[in-house]
Amino acid sequence: NAGVTQTPKFQVLKTGQSMTLQCAQDMNHNSMYWYRQDPGMGLRLIYYSASEGTTDKGEVPNGYNVSRLNKREFSLRLESAAPSQTSVYFCASSIYVGALNTEAFFGQGTRLTVV
Amino acid sequence: GQQVMQIPQYQHVQEGEDFTTYCNSSTTLSNIQWYKQRPGGHPVFLIQLVKSGEVKKQKRLTFQFGEAKKNSSLHITATQTTDVGTYFCARKDSNYQLIWGAGTKLIIKP
Repeated sequence: NAGVTQTPKFQVLKTGQSMTLQCAQDMNHNSMYWYRQDPGMGLRLIYYSASEGTTDKGEVPNGYNVSRLNKREFSLRLESAAPSQTSVYFCASSIYVGALNTEAFFGQGTRLTVV
Repeated sequence: GQQVMQIPQYQHVQEGEDFTTYCNSSTTLSNIQWYKQRPGGHPVFLIQLVKSGEVKKQKRLTFQFGEAKKNSSLHITATQTTDVGTYFCARKDSNYQLIWGAGTKLIIKP
C-alpha cells in the first residue's frame, strides 16, 4: 500500500525556471492538499482540492498553480521559481475535506532549492 | 484563519525525562489533531481530540483537550530516543482546512 507518493524527492532550480511536482494517492481519498514547510515553522497550505474537478487557494498560493488531474493525482506547478520558494513541499490527502474527524496522510516531501 | 500558538519551540531533555508541548487558541476549537514528524520525515497523524476535557493515552503519550476547548497538550512520559522529532498540533478552520501550530522540537541530550 503506497499511500501518498510524491516526485521528485529533491530538486534544485535556477531562478526563473519552471517545474511541476507530482503527487498521487491510492487510498481513494476525495481531498488532496499541497503544503510548504519552512524551517522552524508549521505547514502552510498552498492549494487544496476538495474533490476531483475543484481546486481552491490556501494561505500562500502566490507563485503556484495546481491541477487535479483525476481523483488520484494532484500536481503543483511553479511557473517561474524564486529563491523565496526554497522549501520542503508536502502533498497530503484525506477522505473528505468537509468531515471533522479525518486525518491527513502525507507524502515523503520534495526538498526544493531555488538558486 | 486564527492561528494556534504552540509552545515551547524546542525542548531539550535527558533520555528518561518527561516532555510536554502545549497548544493554545484564543477561540474555541472544534477539534485538535496531533502529528509527529521525525527528522527529515513527513508528518504522521497521532490522534484527534474532539470533546471538552477529553484525555487519551497511547502508551507513554497522553493527550488532553481543555475544558473550554481552547487549549491542548501532549505529554510524553520517560522519553526515549525514538520520540525525537517535532510534534505539531493542528486545528480545523471553518473551511475544514488544517491550521498548524509551529511545532515543538523534542531533542534528547547526549
